[in-house]
Amino acid sequence: EVELVESGGGLVQPGGSLRLSCAASGFTFSTYTMTWVRQAPGKGLEWVSVISPSGDVTYYADSVKGRFTISRDNSKNTLYLQMSSLRGEDTAIYYCAKRALGANHYEDYWGQGTLVTVSS
Amino acid sequence: DIQMTQSPSSLSASVGDRVTITCRASQDISNNLAWFQQKPGKAPKSLIYAASSLQSGVPSKFSGSGSGTDFTLTISSLQPEDFATYYCQQYKSYPRTFGQGTKVEIK
Repeated sequence: EVELVESGGGLVQPGGSLRLSCAASGFTFSTYTMTWVRQAPGKGLEWVSVISPSGDVTYYADSVKGRFTISRDNSKNTLYLQMSSLRGEDTAIYYCAKRALGANHYEDYWGQGTLVTVSS
Repeated sequence: DIQMTQSPSSLSASVGDRVTITCRASQDISNNLAWFQQKPGKAPKSLIYAASSLQSGVPSKFSGSGSGTDFTLTISSLQPEDFATYYCQQYKSYPRTFGQGTKVEIK
């Protein structure tokens, strides 16, 4: 059974940094593209970043480009999101998600999310 | 960026009703569209991919249609467990973009 468990969220001051982790199990992690999506309180879903199976290809939303870095450790079955220069508008639940294999590049499984609060 | 616009933003319906949600893309995305269901306090759940293909394990009361710029999600007979917020998402290009969501509430 696919399981994605996010951790590392918490309260951080504006301008601070935080690293989120997503522990994956139940599938061959190194084979799959992985994604981060966030949701501000009471708002809709916002795509954040994606990383290829080997980690050599990444994309970012303009809102986080230059501040966030996605990475993965396939030996540990873990996805990361390093967040720096955090702003109030980065306050959100951060979900990691697994992309489906094949020609359809949608996210088929999602973790339960970890809450990041940026506030002084 | 491709803009995704859902309508309505919310709707009230009764158990047993047939419900249709629409999603419009600002440019042609072929069939590169997914639908997700999200219940309060829970993660999104995949329902439909490739505009009309049912995700494994999702009941057949959910169906999707459309291609190009106009898409629909239909729930054939609304049940209590279907009251939730529904999102469409395009995966034609980066950045991926979601519709603003449609909240389905009990009438």
